[in-house]
Amino acid sequence: EPEVTQTPSHQVTQMGQEVILRCVPISNHLYFYWYRQILGQKVEFLVSFYNNEISEKSEIFDDQFSVERPDGSNFTLKIRSTKLEDSAMYFCASIGAEVNVKQYFGPGTRLTVT
Amino acid sequence: GENVEQHPSTLSVQEGDSAVIKCTYSDSASNYFPWYKQELGKRPQLIIDIRSNVGEKKDQRIAVTLNKTAKHFSLHITETQPEDSAVYFCAASERNTPLVFGKGTRLSVIA
Repeated sequence: EPEVTQTPSHQVTQMGQEVILRCVPISNHLYFYWYRQILGQKVEFLVSFYNNEISEKSEIFDDQFSVERPDGSNFTLKIRSTKLEDSAMYFCASIGAEVNVKQYFGPGTRLTVT
Repeated sequence: GENVEQHPSTLSVQEGDSAVIKCTYSDSASNYFPWYKQELGKRPQLIIDIRSNVGEKKDQRIAVTLNKTAKHFSLHITETQPEDSAVYFCAASERNTPLVFGKGTRLSVIA
């Protein structure tokens, strides 16, 4: 069964540095999402992406964040200047074109900002 | 926007007993309600979901019920086993909108 993949699995960075988290959604999927999960807390929505543009974003997704789909397969989340509070697991998810299709999550990237 | 409340935050049951986790949601437009199981350090894994045109759905030892009028839905796990121990999250969404998650329930199944 196809799966969402993410790289790297763990990223350690210093405060103020830029990071790029990468996701490869399932190949025929059209809706892409980034979520984050601070340790011990619930999963929170960051941003959704459809038809090569952001379709929705949360309050967490401020000017420090950006997303893009540079080619036909990758979907990236960039944090321009990381803060300590950005430390979390970041999950990518994707769904197909049908209504209410299951969201499949990638394995996540653990981001540690020191 | 949607708000999902989940109870209890922790639940301990004896192996073989049943476990019930309850969620409420606020937005009557929500029509898709998945449940995810998350083991330590791993991704949330979809275990069952229900859509608003159905009141109950069952998959082996797992069942979900939905009461649209009261805006609540529940996860039922029967004959619990130690490998059911994990954090369970409910979520709600409308069409392809982002999932709004509950805060999670840490289930411990004691052998």
